[in-house]
Amino acid sequence: KQEVTQIPAALSVPEGENLVLNCSFTDSAIYNLQWFRQDHGKGLTSLLLIQSSQREQTSGRLNASLDKSSGRSTLYIAASQPGDSATYLCAKAIGGNTGKLIFGQGTTLQVKP
Amino acid sequence: SQTIHQWPATLVQPVGSPLSLECTVEGTSNPNLYWYRQAAGRGLQLLFYSVGIGQISSEVPQNLSASRPQDRQFILSSKKLLLSDSGFYLCAWSVYSGLSEAFFGQGTRLTVV
Repeated sequence: KQEVTQIPAALSVPEGENLVLNCSFTDSAIYNLQWFRQDHGKGLTSLLLIQSSQREQTSGRLNASLDKSSGRSTLYIAASQPGDSATYLCAKAIGGNTGKLIFGQGTTLQVKP
Repeated sequence: SQTIHQWPATLVQPVGSPLSLECTVEGTSNPNLYWYRQAAGRGLQLLFYSVGIGQISSEVPQNLSASRPQDRQFILSSKKLLLSDSGFYLCAWSVYSGLSEAFFGQGTRLTVV
């Protein structure tokens, strides 16, 4: 059974701190890995997509890395802001052309002013 | 640009009543379409996916069904709702390829009473 695990489940940091969210997955067969943001009660917003042939992707203050051999991905957030407070989800795409995603449970981040 | 519409945003239904949730995508053709459910305190679980009109794959046995009557329309239905059907339902789309990015709607909060 394929699984995706995110640690920690919750994180509280002061504004301005750099932080790392972790995602691990079983089975190194992966098509891509995607990081999402979910504000409370809302849908998912795609943050970064890393193809299986890539090692990292960057967007603004966000940097995501992928290490297939160890089954891990990290999301690095630089200079955190209160507006970054949300739940962050990672998802592994499996299954060729189907694009099916297996999600982790998420890390809920609170950035305090 | 592509957009995804999902409605209604919230729904309260009695046990035993029927259900119909609708999702439409604009700005793309022949997308892969997905229905996910996020139960309270749990991660997102894939319920159904479709790679083309009339093609529906079910991921988990349940009280729900899905249909794709048009290329960019995906419908989630039930003939008789159960209490356990309560949750946050999310529609998503991606290009027909496991390498592509997935985009989500804003979700429907379903409460079965």
